[in-house]
Amino acid sequence: DAGITQSPRHKVTETGTPVTLRCHQTENHRYMYWYRQDPGHGLRLIHYSYGVKDTDKGEVSDGYSVSRSKTEDFLLTLESATSSQTSVYFCAISESSSGGGDIQYFGAGTRLSVL
Amino acid sequence: DAKTTQPPSMDCAEGRAANLPCNHSTISGNEYVYWYRQIHSQGPQYIIHGLKNNETNEMASLIITEDRKSSTLILPHATLRDTAVYYCIVRVAGTASKLTFGTGTRLQVTL
Repeated sequence: DAGITQSPRHKVTETGTPVTLRCHQTENHRYMYWYRQDPGHGLRLIHYSYGVKDTDKGEVSDGYSVSRSKTEDFLLTLESATSSQTSVYFCAISESSSGGGDIQYFGAGTRLSVL
Repeated sequence: DAKTTQPPSMDCAEGRAANLPCNHSTISGNEYVYWYRQIHSQGPQYIIHGLKNNETNEMASLIITEDRKSSTLILPHATLRDTAVYYCIVRVAGTASKLTFGTGTRLQVTL
């Protein structure tokens, strides 16, 4: 499982409240990602990080912010949750492959419901 | 990243080989072929990847045609636990590039 832990695993919140999801890794990987998965859309990249304090936007970053103050933790924050952010959120890390290229490994996901 | 085409669903009897095809006719020379699967409600699971040579690991084999326009993922002895959605992804391998998941192939392994 590449040492990835997501917390919480499930959360129900109300519209307008702030929410922070945490991704923790134990293997010192430089690259970390946040995706969301919705029916009919597959996985879509929200934000990614290429080092401590180095982050960049993905294709669906509106309404989300991220922070990475230390290598092992990548936080995803919904400043003011909306019902459209109800989704399953996956964190991933990237690891170089001895066979060439890199491999992304995923966490177990966080199921978020915004009521 | 190149677009991929996969059949929406396939069935396979338990114990038999499952052969999942993928078409990627617009693949570029520096793009790898990746296979992931997702078992209901779980995170995507990496299976295998390759550039142009056939690859094998403990989970599966990847056969890439010589022109690299298509590939086949082979699960040699499918079990019920292999029932999942399988995604073929073509991507330039780089640690800042995203994975683009299409709709995949839903593999149903039956007794």
